[in-house]
Amino acid sequence: NAGVMQNPRHLVRRRGQEARLRCSPMKGHSHVYWYRQLPEEGLKFMVYLQKENIIDESGMPKERFSAEFPKEGPSILRIQQVVRGDSAAYFCASSPKPEGEKLFFGSGTQLSVL
Amino acid sequence: GESVGLHLPTLSVQEGDNSIINCAYSNSASDYFIWYKQESGKGPQFIIDIRSNMDKRQGQRVTVLLNKTVKHLSLQIAATQPGDSAVYFCAENMYSSASKIIFGSGTRLSIRP
Repeated sequence: NAGVMQNPRHLVRRRGQEARLRCSPMKGHSHVYWYRQLPEEGLKFMVYLQKENIIDESGMPKERFSAEFPKEGPSILRIQQVVRGDSAAYFCASSPKPEGEKLFFGSGTQLSVL
Repeated sequence: GESVGLHLPTLSVQEGDNSIINCAYSNSASDYFIWYKQESGKGPQFIIDIRSNMDKRQGQRVTVLLNKTVKHLSLQIAATQPGDSAVYFCAENMYSSASKIIFGSGTRLSIRP
């Protein structure tokens, strides 16, 4: 019973490029959350998705960031025209319930923007 | 509440002693609280949770205490072991009306041999 799978583990991009981060939730989980973490800080909520729906994107920057969770396939966090300030660890979590209870986290994607 | 850009506070504990990690949460409407453990290079790992209708909950070697009056949460780890070295985060959620968990700023626990 695989846990939450995130890939790539490390992603290096140059300024202006696009970054795509993928997250496959645990089997049977239809609720996905994305968080961002800077060094020595806590996790900051970005977006909460259910299959084919964005439920809460209050933590997403208004520009350049988007997220989706299609009917088939992994959830994708997309960052267009990356800047150095986007460098961070991005964590995905999944849950079988809609109330944000007992989230199970992946190992994260470390994004480095050169 | 939301974490801020500060260096993590560190708690240093002798191996075998008990550890107590404290957290002040921000929202008086929060009714569900969780402690997570994060080891270096890994995602947060669920430790224990508690709902607002309780003030104490015990797990294996861990106990969570909730004081709603002063909006304070604590995690007690009994007989601390080297494997307990990690950053510990408290998190809160308005279970009845919100869908996202908000993380606190974290405490680094280091174990002295």
